[in-house]
Amino acid sequence: TQLLEQSPQFLSIQEGENLTVYCNSSSVFSSLQWYRQEPGEGPVLLVTVVTGGEVKKLKRLTFQFGDARKDSSLHITAAQPGDTGLYLCAGVGSSNTGKLIFGQGTTLQVKP
Amino acid sequence: NAGVTQTPKFRVLKTGQSMTLLCAQDMNHEYMYWYRQDPGMGLRLIHYSVGEGTTAKGEVPDGYNVSRLKKQNFLLGLESAAPSQTSVYFCASRRDRGPNEQFFGPGTRLTVL
Repeated sequence: TQLLEQSPQFLSIQEGENLTVYCNSSSVFSSLQWYRQEPGEGPVLLVTVVTGGEVKKLKRLTFQFGDARKDSSLHITAAQPGDTGLYLCAGVGSSNTGKLIFGQGTTLQVKP
Repeated sequence: NAGVTQTPKFRVLKTGQSMTLLCAQDMNHEYMYWYRQDPGMGLRLIHYSVGEGTTAKGEVPDGYNVSRLKKQNFLLGLESAAPSQTSVYFCASRRDRGPNEQFFGPGTRLTVL
């Protein structure tokens, strides 16, 4: 069974601080995705990383896929209150069914 | 385009009652999924479908049944609800080719008393 361990589960920081969220597994994934979810809504895809060692940037968010394709990280620079939400990593297996294995999620609160 | 819609948004059931959750998508997507989300556990896959008339079990299928009679609709049924099925249920869909991006509905909050 493939599992994804996400840490930390909760993060409360002040506006302007930097933070990193980690997503780790003992399994290899063909790709890894990061979603953001706001209260009362479904998750929305932020990024997909496919190649081991790949780094993608989305404004102040930097996503990295581990060289062995077993782990990933999300780094936010100078966090803003608008970044508040639930961040979920999801691993894509090798089958063509598109099934996702989700981490437990990280609840981020950015205080003004 | 409405994207992925779910009905109802909220529901309260008594133990042993049955209900059906409806998911509809207007993006002509082949694949559809049902997840449940519980605090501290992320999203867990209940059942999924890779096309009209097909269904398959996911990670936590016990106590649920599904049907995909029409491509745009994916129904999730609870035959005899249990308090352990109290959760938020999300439906998602994606294309069969191209990027593996799943589009999620707004969720249904179900409470079983």
